[in-house]
Amino acid sequence: EVQLVESGGALVQPGGSLRLSCVASGFTFSTYWMSWVRQAPGKGLEWVANIKEDGNAIFYVDSVKGRFTISRDNAKNLVDLQMNGLRAEDTAVYYCATTWSDPRGHYWGQGTLVTVSS
Amino acid sequence: DVVMTQSPLSLPVTLGQPASISCRPSQSLVHSDGNTYLNWFHQRPGQSPRRLIYKVSNRDSGVPDRFSGSGSGTDFTLKISRVEAEDVGVYYCMQNTHWPPITFGQGTRLEIK
Repeated sequence: EVQLVESGGALVQPGGSLRLSCVASGFTFSTYWMSWVRQAPGKGLEWVANIKEDGNAIFYVDSVKGRFTISRDNAKNLVDLQMNGLRAEDTAVYYCATTWSDPRGHYWGQGTLVTVSS
Repeated sequence: DVVMTQSPLSLPVTLGQPASISCRPSQSLVHSDGNTYLNWFHQRPGQSPRRLIYKVSNRDSGVPDRFSGSGSGTDFTLKISRVEAEDVGVYYCMQNTHWPPITFGQGTRLEIK
């Protein structure tokens, strides 16, 4: 059974930092691009970042560039999102997900809530 | 950035009746490799999204055949032939042809009349 399990969400003050993790199982993690997507309360989906299978290509939405860093460890089936300089507008449920148009399948985690507030 | 415009944003449907959601990107989604990377997702209340359709018209494993995707270029449609109670929630189209950024539509909320 495929599973993506996120962790690390918390209440943090503006300007603070947080590290989210996503552990994968049930599929060949090292052969999938991985993504982080977020959903602000009551809002739609927003793509945040992508990382290639080998970690050698990384992309971000403009609003998080310079503040967020995506990374992965294929030996541990792990993808992380380091978030610095957090702002109120970063408040959202953060999901990790696999490659978007892959015919092998597409998977999401259950999400982890990040709340940025003083 | 490619803007994905969905319509309608709210869709009340009677059980057993058909439903249709439109997605219009601000530019053609045909990739230089010949593929069109347009996907559809369904999010039930309180759940994570689930992919239904990838590359315009390919149904994911386990997705009922009452769901179908069609379209090309800048005009795409998700159709449900006969709506069932489990189909409630929000539907999103998404493109990963011209990225970054990957972009989603605003979402269409389907409810039962």
